[in-house]
Amino acid sequence: AQKVTQAQTEISVVEKEDVTLDCVYETRDTTYYLFWYKQPPSGELVFLIRRNSFDEQNEISGRYSWNFQKSTSSFNFTITASQVVDSAVYFCALSEAGYGGATNKLIFGTGTLLAVQP
Amino acid sequence: DAGVTQSPTHLIKTRGQHVTLRCSPISGHKSVSWYQQVLGQGPQFIFQYYEKEERGRGNFPDRFSARQFPNYSSELNVNALLLGDSALYLCASRSGTSGSLGADTQYFGPGTRLTVL
Repeated sequence: AQKVTQAQTEISVVEKEDVTLDCVYETRDTTYYLFWYKQPPSGELVFLIRRNSFDEQNEISGRYSWNFQKSTSSFNFTITASQVVDSAVYFCALSEAGYGGATNKLIFGTGTLLAVQP
Repeated sequence: DAGVTQSPTHLIKTRGQHVTLRCSPISGHKSVSWYQQVLGQGPQFIFQYYEKEERGRGNFPDRFSARQFPNYSSELNVNALLLGDSALYLCASRSGTSGSLGADTQYFGPGTRLTVL
């Protein structure tokens, strides 16, 4: 069965601090995709990144970086020099490959509420 | 380009009533999925449609149904509403043009917040 665990329910930091959001996943598929979404108070899920299971390169986009480690089934997200605008709920999600008409539903974790204090 | 749109934004119903939620995908996207997000939880998969055919259904009762139209827009219907159906209902669209459906990124709309009294 597929499962995503975000053990950190809430994190509070002061502006300009670095913060890492943890994500651990379970799947039996050899091909899968991992995602991070941001959900601000408005409610809309904003796509941040997609990672393929066969590409373990870490990725950096501005203040955001992602560390994908298949050996530990983790896909962690780091925000450098956090800002108040980063305050939101962040979700990690997993999707199977979806070949042959299979559903590629997203399996979400329970989310981490990040509060960045000024 | 317009993103995923959903209507209505908010809805208040009473127990036993019926509700219809609507979603228009990003232009050119052929697949729509519906998710239910209860307060404090991650979204849960309800349905997926691709090229007007149901491709998957989550663990939801038969009171939930959906369909996709020729223009790829979609409706989610919920009958005999229960208090527990109160949630944010999210629609996501993806292009469906990748060889692997799972490789497509799903882009979400703003959601419809349903309150059942």
